Amino acid sequence: KNQVEQSPQSLIILEGKNCTLQCNYTVSPFSNLRWYKQDTGRGPVSLTIMTFSENTKSNGRYTATLDADTKQSSLHITASQLSDSASYICVVTSVHSGAGSYQLTFGKGTKLSVIP
Amino acid sequence: NAGVMQNPRHLVRRRGQEARLRCSPMKGHSHVYWYRQLPEEGLKFMVYLQKENIIDESGMPKERFSAEFPKEGPSILRIQQVVRGDSAAYFCASGAGSYEQYFGPGTRLTVT
Repeated sequence: KNQVEQSPQSLIILEGKNCTLQCNYTVSPFSNLRWYKQDTGRGPVSLTIMTFSENTKSNGRYTATLDADTKQSSLHITASQLSDSASYICVVTSVHSGAGSYQLTFGKGTKLSVIP
Repeated sequence: NAGVMQNPRHLVRRRGQEARLRCSPMKGHSHVYWYRQLPEEGLKFMVYLQKENIIDESGMPKERFSAEFPKEGPSILRIQQVVRGDSAAYFCASGAGSYEQYFGPGTRLTVT
């Protein structure tokens, strides 16, 4: 069964500090991994997307890493801001080429609170 | 280019009533996906549609739930005879055929 596990469930950090969120997955066959940011009461917004051959990708203060061998990914946030307070969701896509379809498996997210 | 639109943003229904949730995809997108998010839970896939076709409905409850994406107009997620357990946020995402999906703001359904 495809699964995506995220840790920690929640995290509180001081403004200006860095943090790292973790994502472990058991999804096969793997196509890509994405990190989304979901503000309270809003839909998810894509931060990064990585395919099998990519092991790091940055988007401003967000840097995602991917280790396809260990099936782990991390999202590192540097110099956190109050506006970073949100849920961060890891999503893994598997593609079934024979059926021409793909499936997204969502983690439950890490709830980040940045405090002044 | 407007993003994915969903309406209403908030919907309150009494038990036994019907709920209709609408999703207008981004311009040029012909793929629509519906997800449900319960409080403190991750998003759960419900159904994937292309124009006039249901491609994958493996996440849809077998009863009371249906979805359509007509040739003209928005995609509709319909829940008949709602129960309290249907209270959730329902998100729609659209795509142009690749695996990128853009999410709408969601509809929060409350069943009283």
